[in-house]
Amino acid sequence: KNEVEQSPQNLTAQEGEFITINCSYSVGISALHWLQQHPGGGIVSLFMLSSGKKKHGRLIATINIQEKHSSLHITASHPRDSAVYICLPFTGNQFYFGTGTSLTVIP
Amino acid sequence: EPEVTQTPSHQVTQMGQEVILRCVPISNHLYFYWYRQILGQKVEFLVSFYNNEISEKSEIFDDQFSVERPDGSNFTLKIRSTKLEDSAMYFCAIFIQYGRRGNEQFFGPGTRLTVL
Repeated sequence: KNEVEQSPQNLTAQEGEFITINCSYSVGISALHWLQQHPGGGIVSLFMLSSGKKKHGRLIATINIQEKHSSLHITASHPRDSAVYICLPFTGNQFYFGTGTSLTVIP
Repeated sequence: EPEVTQTPSHQVTQMGQEVILRCVPISNHLYFYWYRQILGQKVEFLVSFYNNEISEKSEIFDDQFSVERPDGSNFTLKIRSTKLEDSAMYFCAIFIQYGRRGNEQFFGPGTRLTVL
């Protein structure tokens, strides 16, 4: 069973497009992280959310705890945004990794 | 931003051998996590380590695996009698709780383990 579902699994966008990546989870959580995994493999933490919305540059993350759903938005996408984006709910003891969304932004 | 280094960056070993992967945070932290990512698959949680004890482990983390903090700084993942299916990228992460600001993870660059 998958405790975390992300959609879409793969996404190709033109530079400048607005992008949305969705994450639904079934576990009870205290927080949810969004990670970015670069093509070379390195992982960077983008956001930690426990409620509401956070914004960092062109990235916006939202979470609805009642609906067990989070979204990651990228405004004015750029080829350097090409990466795998991973949703990571945290129960307080354990992290559950989403399968990731592979984003390719074409110039 | 806290920095986490991992050594070696790439380890090649023969099946049945033991390997030790190391994680070194720049500053002292209490929470550590190990994850692995088999090529082409999603990242998987292995174990969390808090205050020198295992606090949570996944089904993957069986008796073949062990974690230690041998000198109060380095954090090691030992894999005994490696199998071909242990070939993966192994990531270490530190976890910092900021109180009301929430918490954050910082990942090391990973160790690529190849079992031949």
